[in-house]
Amino acid sequence: DAGVIQSPRHEVTEMGQEVTLRCKPISGHNSLFWYRQTMMRGLELLIYFNNNVPIDDSGMPEDRFSAKMPNASFSTLKIQPSEPRDSAVYFCATRLGGDPYEQYFGPGTRLTVT
Amino acid sequence: AQSVTQLDSQVPVFEEAPVELRCNYSSSVSVYLFWYVQYPNQGLQLLLKYLSGSTLVKGINGFEAEFNKSQTSFHLRKPSVHISDTAEYFCASNQGGKLIFGQGTELSVKP
Repeated sequence: DAGVIQSPRHEVTEMGQEVTLRCKPISGHNSLFWYRQTMMRGLELLIYFNNNVPIDDSGMPEDRFSAKMPNASFSTLKIQPSEPRDSAVYFCATRLGGDPYEQYFGPGTRLTVT
Repeated sequence: AQSVTQLDSQVPVFEEAPVELRCNYSSSVSVYLFWYVQYPNQGLQLLLKYLSGSTLVKGINGFEAEFNKSQTSFHLRKPSVHISDTAEYFCASNQGGKLIFGQGTELSVKP
């Protein structure tokens, strides 16, 4: 299995531009999580889906952030408009079933907003 | 709300020395506990997990952890570290289908 696939691996954009991050989960995994990692705030859960349905989006910073999961094999995290403080590494993780199964992380997308 | 506290932000050790990375959790209900490792410029990878049963859990790369309910701790140990163990280590516990992560401990192994 290829594991969780994220694209792009690196993204550099200017403030105000729209950014779309993509995630392909491990086949058969029905839970998907988006995280943000920064030095200041550590690892933060932004949103998670179960069977393509958003379950908890309380970690989404503000309305500029949105996430979708149109089908079981694809999810996007969009930032519009982007700001320099959005610079971070964004991880997608997926899980087979609920607790107590572990989450499998993708390699991350390093976003830099100038 | 549950929380996970990693007591050391950085742990420097020499190669072949033993190491312990400390983790405390708060929970009033049954808890599942995990240790993840993050190598530079990579995603997180599961080291080990405690679900139930034996309180001593063995993981990959020679790591083990002990679940201590009375002290609400889940410390990670390795008897002899290698340079390649240099990474950031995260303790996590479950909460309502989500994982609550600690702030991470940076393990730096020096020759």
